[in-house]
Amino acid sequence: DGGITQSPKYLFRKEGQNVTLSCEQNLNHDAMYWYRQDPGQGLRLIYYSQIVNDFQKGDIAEGYSVSREKKESFPLTVTSAQKNPTAFYLCASGRASAGLGEQYFGPGTRLTVT
Amino acid sequence: AQSVTQPDIHITVSEGASLELRCNYSYGATPYLFWYVQSPGQGLQLLLKYFSGDTLVQGIKGFEAEFKRSQSSFNLRKPSVHWSDAAEYFCAVGTSGGSYIPTFGRGTSLIVHP
Repeated sequence: DGGITQSPKYLFRKEGQNVTLSCEQNLNHDAMYWYRQDPGQGLRLIYYSQIVNDFQKGDIAEGYSVSREKKESFPLTVTSAQKNPTAFYLCASGRASAGLGEQYFGPGTRLTVT
Repeated sequence: AQSVTQPDIHITVSEGASLELRCNYSYGATPYLFWYVQSPGQGLQLLLKYFSGDTLVQGIKGFEAEFKRSQSSFNLRKPSVHWSDAAEYFCAVGTSGGSYIPTFGRGTSLIVHP
């Protein structure tokens, strides 16, 4: 079955540690996205990538980093510079056809930093 | 830039009652419109989409939505709600040029009473 996988489902870290969230897709989509979701705030875009080896900052990129070395993979690193990292993180992918905006989402990773 | 407004943060309905969730968008050209559903602790799932053609769109799980250009609206409806429909619902708009990034509304939380 085609889809998007995120791992792990739950992640716990101590403050000051970097942590990497995994996102893999086998939908052959060119575009991939990372969102952060906090209660009552909807989805906020962290980073996106429209093609391998290229990515762009979203609305809240500070304290995060990404890489896109393979079409299938778009890992997100939450660095110690992120002031409030505890949140639900969603990865999505979509066709790189201009103007569609249709996205397919993974199940999410809930990160708790104490 | 486009924007999406979901005026209702919470909606409460009784099981078996009809449902309408409101979505208004702002965009200068013909939009691409989406409704997504998110169960607690899960990723988002596409319910339905409108690109062009018939303004009444059928989706999964018995949902439908109607695009009304004159009102800049894309309201989601279901004739009879089931308890399993309790979830967060997001409206999103994509554009006809350039960006592959949709704009999401803040979401409407649906509560279903038995």
